[in-house]
Parts: sequence; C-alpha cells; structure tokens
Amino acid sequence: AAGVIQSPRHLIKEKRETATLKCYPIPRHDTVYWYQQGPGQDPQFLISFYEKMQSDKGSIPDRFSAQQFSDYHSELNMSSLELGDSALYFCASSLLSSGQETQYFGPGTRLLVL
Amino acid sequence: DQQVKQNSPSLSVQEGRISILNCDYTNSMFDYFLWYKKYPAEGPTFLISISSIKDKNEDGRFTVFLNKSAKHLSLHIVPSQPGDSAVYFCAASARIGNEKLTFGTGTRLTIIP
Repeated sequence: AAGVIQSPRHLIKEKRETATLKCYPIPRHDTVYWYQQGPGQDPQFLISFYEKMQSDKGSIPDRFSAQQFSDYHSELNMSSLELGDSALYFCASSLLSSGQETQYFGPGTRLLVL
Repeated sequence: DQQVKQNSPSLSVQEGRISILNCDYTNSMFDYFLWYKKYPAEGPTFLISISSIKDKNEDGRFTVFLNKSAKHLSLHIVPSQPGDSAVYFCAASARIGNEKLTFGTGTRLTIIP
C-alpha cells in the first residue's frame, strides 16, 4: 500500500538560510499534519491542514509557514534557519472525512542547520 | 508540561515472553489513544489504537488496555519477538475539533533472543 512520502530525506542548511520540506499524503487522505522531533525528544505537533485549509496550529515558529495544495500535498517552508531547527520533521496523513482518525507517518526529513 | 508520560525509558524482555509498555496521561479531554513503533531514522509506524468508549482492543499479538479512571493505558505484546525491538510511543488526541497527537517520551524495548 502507498505510504506517506516526504522529500528530501536529508537536508543540510546554514544559519539564516531557507528550507522547503515536502509531503505527499497517502492517496485520498484529506488531512496532513507536521511534527518536529528534536534529538532525544518526542514528536511535537506543528500544524495541520484539512481539505487545504489550516485546521490546527501548535508550537510553530513565525519563521515557518505551511500550506496544502490542490493535489493535497503539503509544503513546510522554514526561513531564517537557526541551529535549534535541526531536527527530524515528520508529516502524517489521515482520512478525517471518513472518520478514520489514525495518522500515518512518513519517513521524515532530517534537517541539519550548521 | 508533559501531558502524556511513559515513565520507563527502556525495557528488556526475553523472546517469547510478554512485553508490557505503560503510558499515563493527564488531560481528561483525550479520548483517542494510539501506539506507534519507531526505528531509528524512520517515521513512527502505527500499531494499534483505542477509543475511550472501549477498555480493550486486540490485534494479533498486540493488545491495548485503557483504564480511564486511572488515566492509564498499556500495550501488551505477546509473544515478544526480536523484530519488536524498537522505540514505542504512546500518543493521544482529543478528537472533537482537535486531532493533533500529543506524544509520550517513548520506551525503548529490547527483546533478548
């Protein structure tokens, strides 16, 4: 079965640069979630989209923005990168409109800010 | 404020025995709970979930028990297999209007052959 796809898998940036992470949800899933997992920490919710509209927002810095496109893929844009942004970024998707609340995760993008 | 807690950072179990992973939560609005398994450099893999209207859900070797009054859930794996060695995360959500997952800190399970 098709899973959540994230690209790139690895990304190295320097401070103050920008980064764009992409997420392709499981086909027909209508909801996308972004999580950040720092070293030795549990995943923390950043933001979610349902049917291309932002549905919830967590501890996402103002330097970050995200959107969901008409094909349901999502992009997380990160600007003015800081050393502390180094983390694993996970995308998850679910099919909320059918009452299926289980979130399925992608493999993650590992971002390293130097 | 850690709303979902897994107090055992690690657990070692003999192959073939039962593995029991525990999770406690503080937010009484949580009504949907999930367990995920995670290998290094991979995303969390969904294992099993339970709604607050149930106290038990079973899927093959995995059973999740929910005690709402104690705000406690546990994952039982029986029999444990070497491939079960991974980090296990408990997660919770308050479904009505807020589906984001709040994760526990994880328990590293090691199955000893």
